[in-house]
Amino acid sequence: QQQVKQSPQSLIVQKGGISIINCAYENTAFDYFPWYQQFPGKGPALLIAIRPDVSEKKEGRFTISFNKSAKQFSLHIMDSQPGDSATYFCAASGGYQKVTFGTGTKLQVIP
Amino acid sequence: GAGVSQTPSNKVTEKGKYVELRCDPISGHTALYWYRQSLGQGPEFLIYFQGTGAADDSGLPNDRFFAVRPEGSVSTLKIQRTERGDSAVYLCASSSAQGLFFGPGTRLTVL
Repeated sequence: QQQVKQSPQSLIVQKGGISIINCAYENTAFDYFPWYQQFPGKGPALLIAIRPDVSEKKEGRFTISFNKSAKQFSLHIMDSQPGDSATYFCAASGGYQKVTFGTGTKLQVIP
Repeated sequence: GAGVSQTPSNKVTEKGKYVELRCDPISGHTALYWYRQSLGQGPEFLIYFQGTGAADDSGLPNDRFFAVRPEGSVSTLKIQRTERGDSAVYLCASSSAQGLFFGPGTRLTVL
């Protein structure tokens, strides 16, 4: 049972463009929605996270948009750079932080 | 400070053998998690420790998998009678209020 659905599976964006990754969840008990960035051979690294009491959170070039009624959230990467090329995972958790991950989006930013 | 470390980084074993994977969490983190990541997939929850006890082992796939954390710090994931389907990257994470912090993982290959 996939509790967090993520799309697209892969994404190619021109340098300077906006990368958008979407996720949807099913479990209404989720109350914490992090995004992780993973480079090849490395573990996932926490990028940015949001709780459902706000609709948007911005940190530098990274923004999470959250729609509680639709049970959807998205990551926007502004001014995408080649160094942003990585796999991105949305995730969700409730309670003590058992985190459920999406299937990942492989982002490639081309010069 | 030092992050989560995992040893070995790579482990190749033969079907039917026993393996142990070690995790050293960030000092002071009381919560520790094991995840498994198959190629092209998101991390899949295995087990969660709070201190020395396993608070949630619902993700362990079967009784061949077992994990311990005897002193509330280092944890060992043990896999008996390994099968080819156990081949994956095994990730350990410890957590603080800021979220999960992952180690680089152990890549397990069962021949």
